[in-house]
Amino acid sequence: QLQLQESGSGLVKPSQTLSLTCAVSGGSISSGGYSYNWIRQPPGKGLEWIGYFHHSGNTYYNPSLKSRVTIFLDRSKNHFSLKLSSVTAADTAAYYCARGSEIVGYGLDVWGQGTTVTVSS
Amino acid sequence: QSALTQPASVSGSPGQSITISCTGTSSDVAVYNSVSWYQHHPGKAPKLMIYDVSERPSGVSNRFSGSKSGNTASLTISGLQADDEAHYYCTSYTSRSTLVFGGGTKLTVL
Repeated sequence: QLQLQESGSGLVKPSQTLSLTCAVSGGSISSGGYSYNWIRQPPGKGLEWIGYFHHSGNTYYNPSLKSRVTIFLDRSKNHFSLKLSSVTAADTAAYYCARGSEIVGYGLDVWGQGTTVTVSS
Repeated sequence: QSALTQPASVSGSPGQSITISCTGTSSDVAVYNSVSWYQHHPGKAPKLMIYDVSERPSGVSNRFSGSKSGNTASLTISGLQADDEAHYYCTSYTSRSTLVFGGGTKLTVL
């Protein structure tokens, strides 16, 4: 069964770049028909979709974050990553990675447990 | 893109049914049958409960059902149980090939 696990820096200074990785186990990230997503949840707020890497090779981002976000795959390591530049306190959140599957339309059927990132000097 | 609109909270007693609405626009919910619903217990990973408006993934109870009319999708939970108490989020595919979440609804089982 596919499992996802987020990792990365838990504390990032303002104006720096947030970097997170989602390790994929129990399956190959190179399999077709999937998208690889990042979602976040600021403290006390709801879920916010950040973006996804589609199996076609295209990436799609939340328009409000597009200028600062990059999502990419590392097929050799079977993981995908998120980079968010020029962070501020507003980027403090729990960050989740999730897989989208064409089998469930645009639903996200496998999620990581999430990792907390705090932006503070 | 603006978040889909959900009520902040709903409540119901065990055994009752509740419905959570999710209102979008002509760029998302109204034109795509790609609405999903997630259950989120604090400290846990969100769980996919409904996809493509009304389809249930394997393993999800048939007490959960979804529907859509125009630009509003709905999630109905019948036979409420204590463990249903959680936050629920809708999402939709959009005309920009992006996803958009609703603001979330806290379900309280009285």
